[in-house]
Amino acid sequence: AQTVTQSQPEMSVQEAETVTLSCTYDTSESNYYLFWYKQPPSRQMILVIRQEAYKQQNATENRFSVNFQKAAKSFSLKISDSQLGDTAMYFCAFMKQGGANNLFFGTGTRLTVIP
Amino acid sequence: NAGVMQNPRHLVRRRGQEARLRCSPMKGHSHVYWYRQLPEEGLKFMVYLQKENIIDESGMPKERFSAEFPKEGPSILRIQQVVRGDSAAYFCASSPLAWPPFTDTQYFGPGTRLTVL
Repeated sequence: AQTVTQSQPEMSVQEAETVTLSCTYDTSESNYYLFWYKQPPSRQMILVIRQEAYKQQNATENRFSVNFQKAAKSFSLKISDSQLGDTAMYFCAFMKQGGANNLFFGTGTRLTVIP
Repeated sequence: NAGVMQNPRHLVRRRGQEARLRCSPMKGHSHVYWYRQLPEEGLKFMVYLQKENIIDESGMPKERFSAEFPKEGPSILRIQQVVRGDSAAYFCASSPLAWPPFTDTQYFGPGTRLTVL
C-alpha cells in the first residue's frame, strides 16, 4: 500500500518570501506520479504541480517548483515570492502508474501568508 | 471549457434519509473518481468509474454506498440511510485518459458538503 506523509501541519511565511513544504511517501512501485494540490478557503481542490517519477528534472510552474528525490522518496514544494492568495491547505498526492489510478493524499499542510 | 461540476454544493439530510450527489465530468473526460474528505483530514479515495462500469470500488463502504456513471447523464454517488458519520465533503474528479499505461491528471469539482443532522 502507498502512504503519503506531510509532517508539517501548519506553516506561515511573510509575503514575498520563499517557503518549502515537505512530503515523503512510501511505495514499492517504480513508476508513479506525484502531485501537489491546493485547497483554499473555498475548499476547491486546485492542481498546483505534477511530477513523473521517471523524469529526473524537477517540475516547475511559475512560482512553484518541486525538489523530487526519488531515492529518498521525498517530494517537497517550494513557493517563491509568496502571495496572499497562496494561503491554503496544500496536499501532496501519489498515483501509481498503470493501476487503478486513484490518488493517495497526505494529511495536508495549512499555509498562511502573512502581509 | 467548463470544469467538473458537482451539485448540490451543500446538502443537509436527517439520519435515515438518502443522499444523492451528482458529478458532471469535464467535456471529453470519461473517467470519474469520488473522494471523501472528513473534517481536518486529507481526501480518501472511494470509487473509480468509467461510463457504465465500476472499475475500482475498493475505498467505498460495503453497505449503504453505491455509485454509477450511466451512458447518459452525470455520475451519481448515493448514500442510503445516512448517519452522522457520513457528514463530510465529497469530491468528484475526472480525467480524460486513464487506461494503463497512460495515467492522466485528475481535475476536481468544487465538492458537495453533506451534513447529517
